[in-house]
Amino acid sequence: DSGVTQTPKHLITATGQRVTLRCSPRSGDLSVYWYQQSLDQGLQFLIQYYNGEERAKGNILERFSAQQFPDLHSELNLSSLELGDSALYFCASQAIPKDTQYFGPGTRLTVL
Amino acid sequence: SQKIEQNSEALNIQEGKTATLTCNYTNYSPAYLQWYRQDPGRGPVFLLLIRENEKEKRKERLKVTFDTTLKQSLFHITASQPADSATYLCALDPVKSQNFVFGPGTRLSVLP
Repeated sequence: DSGVTQTPKHLITATGQRVTLRCSPRSGDLSVYWYQQSLDQGLQFLIQYYNGEERAKGNILERFSAQQFPDLHSELNLSSLELGDSALYFCASQAIPKDTQYFGPGTRLTVL
Repeated sequence: SQKIEQNSEALNIQEGKTATLTCNYTNYSPAYLQWYRQDPGRGPVFLLLIRENEKEKRKERLKVTFDTTLKQSLFHITASQPADSATYLCALDPVKSQNFVFGPGTRLSVLP
């Protein structure tokens, strides 16, 4: 158990819909990362937050947004969903920059 | 362009043998490199970190080498066991960035 929690575990929705994925980092970790992993694809970095502020952006679509709240949990919002958005979404937390990342169990999103 | 490659998509070896996985990178100058293990449908789990000034790092049956001249890291599992079957990911830090970049992974199967 990494100490990082993600909810929900599974999410099935339809094209055009909007969903919110939630992540709680390990106790004390200020940094949260979001990744997308499609079938047979590597981990694609989406976005990073550190203590409530956006720090780095990767290949995140404009339809996707995220935020980190004062209690350090983070939410990833995916809107106008398309079939190609079906993937595993992982969050990871990190104590200090460039340290080991601890990954959550992931949310499997299926868009029908 | 910047690239991270891992030697092969899949590697099959016999139980008891040494598995060697390769991570090559192009147009990065990482200060360190990490290796993670990922089981199907689960989040990656940190295994080892090696810094640019370290030639080799060991942890139990695992060994990592880092050659900044060749721009390559090798990951060895000695006395491999079927339980070692998983996908192994290398990750490096683009020096001026906060986020990690992950390789595509190598799926290792250890056959009994």
